[in-house]
Amino acid sequence: GQSLEQPSEVTAVEGAIVQINCTYQTSGFYGLSWYQQHDGGAPTFLSYNALDGLEETGRFSSFLSRSDSYGYLLLQELQMKDSASYFCAAYTGGFKTIFGAGTRLFVKA
Amino acid sequence: DAGVIQSPRHEVTEMGQEVTLRCKPISGHNSLFWYRQTMMRGLELLIYFNNNVPIDDSGMPEDRFSAKMPNASFSTLKIQPSEPRDSAVYFCASSPGEADTQYFGPGTRLTVL
Repeated sequence: GQSLEQPSEVTAVEGAIVQINCTYQTSGFYGLSWYQQHDGGAPTFLSYNALDGLEETGRFSSFLSRSDSYGYLLLQELQMKDSASYFCAAYTGGFKTIFGAGTRLFVKA
Repeated sequence: DAGVIQSPRHEVTEMGQEVTLRCKPISGHNSLFWYRQTMMRGLELLIYFNNNVPIDDSGMPEDRFSAKMPNASFSTLKIQPSEPRDSAVYFCASSPGEADTQYFGPGTRLTVL
């Protein structure tokens, strides 16, 4: 089957750094995306990694290792507004993306 | 730029009624996706279109669900007849390419009583 595994919850302190891991098992794989979703809101695209390595966008960075079927989202200088759910999603080709179950991030003061 | 537009934002209906959800993708995007999100099942892909053509509807749960995309700027998801277990948030998303980067609409929160 096709699946993505990510932790269900992560808690961190304001100003800290947090890493959300994602491992995937898919029959095809082109790249890994990350989405943020606040309660009551819609998923918002954060990043997409097609190649191995680290991509940085402001306080957020995303990493991919295709050989390990693994990626992570790194959030730096955490702010209260970063409290949300974060989804990794594998693009498997043919217009199809498979989403993980999401990681709920709680940022404490 | 206007993002993906969905209507209605909230829908409350009674079991057995027909429900039609609407979506206007971002102009210029040629791929459109319908998702359903619940606490129990997470985010599920129902169907997706490319250049107005349905590519894969294997995620549509039952024959009660149908989707159309008559033109590049409009799509509908219809449930007939609706059942309480259809209660969920339904998202429409569009992409300028295939599916690597998707832009989601605000969603329609459907409650079937």
